[in-house]
Amino acid sequence: NAGVTQTPKFQVLKTGQSMTLQCAQDMNHNSMYWYRQDPGMGLRLIYYSASEGTTDKGEVPNGYNVSRLNKREFSLRLESAAPSQTSVYFCASSTAVLDIQYFGAGTRLSVL
Amino acid sequence: KQEVTQIPAALSVPEGENLVLNCSFTDSAIYNLQWFRQDPGKGLTSLLLIQSSQREQTSGRLNASLDKSSGRSTLYIAASQPGDSATYLCAVSFSGTYKYIFGTGTRLKVLA
Repeated sequence: NAGVTQTPKFQVLKTGQSMTLQCAQDMNHNSMYWYRQDPGMGLRLIYYSASEGTTDKGEVPNGYNVSRLNKREFSLRLESAAPSQTSVYFCASSTAVLDIQYFGAGTRLSVL
Repeated sequence: KQEVTQIPAALSVPEGENLVLNCSFTDSAIYNLQWFRQDPGKGLTSLLLIQSSQREQTSGRLNASLDKSSGRSTLYIAASQPGDSATYLCAVSFSGTYKYIFGTGTRLKVLA
């Protein structure tokens, strides 16, 4: 039982490059989330998808786009990476929006 | 502004001690509250979820309480073990929102 799988685990980008972070869950959950974790600031919600076919902005959506590809997959895209987007990114899922959340292992992103 | 605060930021205790971790929030109108554990370099694991209508939840050696009127939750860990060493995060969903606000966590070290 894999749970929530994130790829890649590590990534280094140059300023201005683009990339997509992938997330997949195998728990048949309806809701999925993308967070970023920065030292001293806790986790902040970037985007979430309450159910397949819907996406909504969280606290810090600027510079990001998301796609809920199907019920299992929720991707996060950085169109033009900036050093301020250096962070650890976590994907999570839950049965419904405010239920127990299950997290992936994270993607550590550095933007130079 | 809706905020979640965890004090202290770090705590060291000898093995076997009972301990309490604190979480405070600025608005008593909450939907539910979750306590998470995060090991270094890993994702978050949900420990306990307390709904607004509940006063406490228990799982093994863990007990979480909720006092909405004072804007506080505590996580009680009984008979602490070195394996309990981790960062513990509190997350609150405020009424009328569809997201969690996370505290910055308490980093716990249990000394053998």
